[in-house]
Amino acid sequence: SQQGEEDPQALSIQEGENATMNCSYKTSINNLQWYRQNSGRGLVHLILIRSNEREKHSGRLRVTLDTSKKSSSLLITASRAADTASYFCATDAGGFQKLVFGTGTRLLVSP
Amino acid sequence: AAGVIQSPRHLIKEKRETATLKCYPIPRHDTVYWYQQGPGQDPQFLISFYEKMQSDKGSIPDRFSAQQFSDYHSELNMSSLELGDSALYFCASSQAGNSPLHFGNGTRLTVT
Repeated sequence: SQQGEEDPQALSIQEGENATMNCSYKTSINNLQWYRQNSGRGLVHLILIRSNEREKHSGRLRVTLDTSKKSSSLLITASRAADTASYFCATDAGGFQKLVFGTGTRLLVSP
Repeated sequence: AAGVIQSPRHLIKEKRETATLKCYPIPRHDTVYWYQQGPGQDPQFLISFYEKMQSDKGSIPDRFSAQQFSDYHSELNMSSLELGDSALYFCASSQAGNSPLHFGNGTRLTVT
């Protein structure tokens, strides 16, 4: 069963707009990570937020974590066409060396 | 900087054949993970190794096996291949559990 469910499944925006993706999970976690995947390529780590953190920033990325609601969001500000990719959340709920991925959001940023 | 190296990039096999996928983790990373990603699907965890010992197991079929060698490279062996095994297979490595994973570019396996 999927640990993480993401919404929306697909998101289409214009360059310059903000993109928000949400992730929900089911069990307790130590940390939650966000990854990006360009079509047919490997996943690239974007940001890690620990269970005792509520918000984290990295460049144009902002991640929030609400452990009471078992949810996280990824905000990409001032999006660019190069941000077009699939974005996955992943949690360590599967175990110490078993990262479990959510279903992903496909983001399309049009010039 | 060195990244995770996977070989081959593409592999075409027929049903019931065997396949071996190789992964070379980033130097000094002690954990290796294997994931399977079907078309339009999220990556599914198969198996992981910590310091050359199997550390966790996911939805890996009995037809598959994996090991990590003394030089830390890992191999995923797949036997009696089925059409449904067609997928992208990713290897990832990390410096320790709960730290970011670094993924290779994957091996695209096509079973005909």
